[in-house]
Amino acid sequence: EAGVAQSPRYKIIEKRQSVAFWCNPISGHATLYWYQQILGQGPKLLIQFQNNGVVDDSQLPKDRFSAERLKGVDSTLKIQPAKLEDSAVYLCASSSRTVFIYEQYFGPGTRLTVT
Amino acid sequence: AQKITQTQPGMFVQEKEAVTLDCTYDTSDPSYGLFWYKQPSSGEMIFLIYQGSYDQQNATEGRYSLNFQKARKSANLVISASQLGDSAMYFCAMREEGGKLIFGQGTELSVKP
Repeated sequence: EAGVAQSPRYKIIEKRQSVAFWCNPISGHATLYWYQQILGQGPKLLIQFQNNGVVDDSQLPKDRFSAERLKGVDSTLKIQPAKLEDSAVYLCASSSRTVFIYEQYFGPGTRLTVT
Repeated sequence: AQKITQTQPGMFVQEKEAVTLDCTYDTSDPSYGLFWYKQPSSGEMIFLIYQGSYDQQNATEGRYSLNFQKARKSANLVISASQLGDSAMYFCAMREEGGKLIFGQGTELSVKP
């Protein structure tokens, strides 16, 4: 079974530029998460999708961040315009369990550096 | 609000010895789940072990066990017979209603040969 795929793995941009990240979850997983992990911290949820609907985007900076999950499979996360403080690893995760454990499978992440 | 606290920024352990990584949590929900993840330098988060709040026994998965003390709100990870490949960041996390995870700050474990 293929894992969660993310691209690109690394991205360097200047502040005020835009950037997009792509995630392909494990086949059949209905729930998809985007987390932001700043260096030295644990991951923090940005947005959660159930199929192609948003379940939780309470911590997504909506003035600059957007995300979509067309057809309930792949997802893209966009930042426009980027700020220095957006430098972080962006992790995508997916899960299919409907029981309580809700085990999440993570992708390798995209490391973003904003200069 | 739910919160996870890991007070050990870094830990060292000799190869083949056991090590305990601390985790305390705060929640008012009677039903919750606690997870431990390993993050090697490659960056991927690897699921290690899960403990449900109603589970009567401490969870075990191979060399990993979870020392769950509900009254103290602690869920410490015990790694037995440490290996060099165990060197990584370790995160404790709590599952919130809806499925999202709240993570602690992490503990960096270094295994010495």
